[in-house]
Amino acid sequence: DAGVTQSPTHLIKTRGQQVTLRCSPISGHKSVSWYQQVLGQGPQFIFQYYEKEERGRGNFPDRFSARQFPNYSSELNVNALLLGDSALYLCASSLQLHNEQFFGPGTRLTVL
Amino acid sequence: AQSVTQPDIHITVSEGASLELRCNYSYGATPYLFWYVQSPGQGLQLLLKYFSGDTLVQGIKGFEAEFKRSQSSFNLRKPSVHWSDAAEYFCAVGAAGGYGGATNKLIFGTGTLLAVQP
Repeated sequence: DAGVTQSPTHLIKTRGQQVTLRCSPISGHKSVSWYQQVLGQGPQFIFQYYEKEERGRGNFPDRFSARQFPNYSSELNVNALLLGDSALYLCASSLQLHNEQFFGPGTRLTVL
Repeated sequence: AQSVTQPDIHITVSEGASLELRCNYSYGATPYLFWYVQSPGQGLQLLLKYFSGDTLVQGIKGFEAEFKRSQSSFNLRKPSVHWSDAAEYFCAVGAAGGYGGATNKLIFGTGTLLAVQP
């Protein structure tokens, strides 16, 4: 079975631009979460979606938004990029809200 | 506040030696606890999890962890380390919250980087 997939693998943007990251969960999984991992740190929670509804949001500015589609895939959008947004963005899926989360390989975002 | 502490930033062990990575958590209720491993430039792979029941849990790749409520700890162990175990290891607690307690966000420690000497 395919695991969690994310696209693109790498992305380079300049300050002020907008970016969209994509995630496809494991087949049958209904919950998707997004995490930001800055170099040298553990991942930080951004959002969790379940059945297409936002169920939780971490301590991130409104420049960060996300949505989940009927097929349970998800997009993370970041507007007005800052240098500090450079990070590995990880998507995780779980069967339901309170099951273990399985992570994708991540999208490496570099903001110049 | 909910938090996870991994006191060891970097550990070096010899191949074949035993390993213990420390993890302490702060959480008001019974925690869900996890250990993940991350190879350079990769995502996170789940090694093992504790939800309830037996406090000694077995995971993949020969790893095990023991939940000790009195010490708020969930240390990861392996009896004999292989060179392929070199990676970064993250301990995490699953924290309820969000809207009506429905969220199960993971709170991660800062990680322990494991180097294996031949």
